[in-house]
Amino acid sequence: QSALTQPASVSGSPGQSITISCTGTSSDIGAFDYVSWYQQHPGKVPRLILYDVSNRPSGVSTRFSGSKSGNTASLTISGLQAEDEADYYCNSYTSSTTSYVFGAGTKVTVL
Amino acid sequence: QVQLQESGPGLVRPSETLSLTCSVSGGSITNDYWSWLRQPPGKGLEWIAYVFHTGTTNYNPSLKSRVTISIDTSKKEFSLNMISVTAADTAVYYCARGAGWYDHWGQGTLVTVSS
Repeated sequence: QSALTQPASVSGSPGQSITISCTGTSSDIGAFDYVSWYQQHPGKVPRLILYDVSNRPSGVSTRFSGSKSGNTASLTISGLQAEDEADYYCNSYTSSTTSYVFGAGTKVTVL
Repeated sequence: QVQLQESGPGLVRPSETLSLTCSVSGGSITNDYWSWLRQPPGKGLEWIAYVFHTGTTNYNPSLKSRVTISIDTSKKEFSLNMISVTAADTAVYYCARGAGWYDHWGQGTLVTVSS
């Protein structure tokens, strides 16, 4: 059982915006801004798309944005494109075990 | 551009030890954290451990009793040892730069635990 809760799937049409939630507790997301997000296409290596809640690494599209409210972090993909169809994972530091936990992942489908 | 490459056996017998090495090229291994993560077939990601260039380590508590991570800065390598493996340890193992967020990853190596 993952420590962070993500919806199993989210879908949207091209051009739309979608939001993926990642819910934790007051020991992880609620306490620290150490949330990161990864995109993984089938059979490929995960790719960092956001770190420290809302920072984008160089080369990542501005269509990806992040936020946090309370114990829930969110990844928003704007202007959805076919290439965005992938699995997305959130990750956070947790003080309960002084380690790092992932969500189970969310499959994004572009309709 | 930092590049990472995992190496090690693709098949490990149950109850034996899994040993993997990650070679770092294209950048320095010092002043950074280095991690191992894994992904069972069809499942999500799991962080295993990290090591700092000084040798400071941190482990996933669920694996801590079986795992050791180490670093050899002279060889620009860091390693993972996992003892007493079972079929549940079958996964793609990734090495990556970072602790908490991972910006450079190896290609991953599939390790199957089977007799």
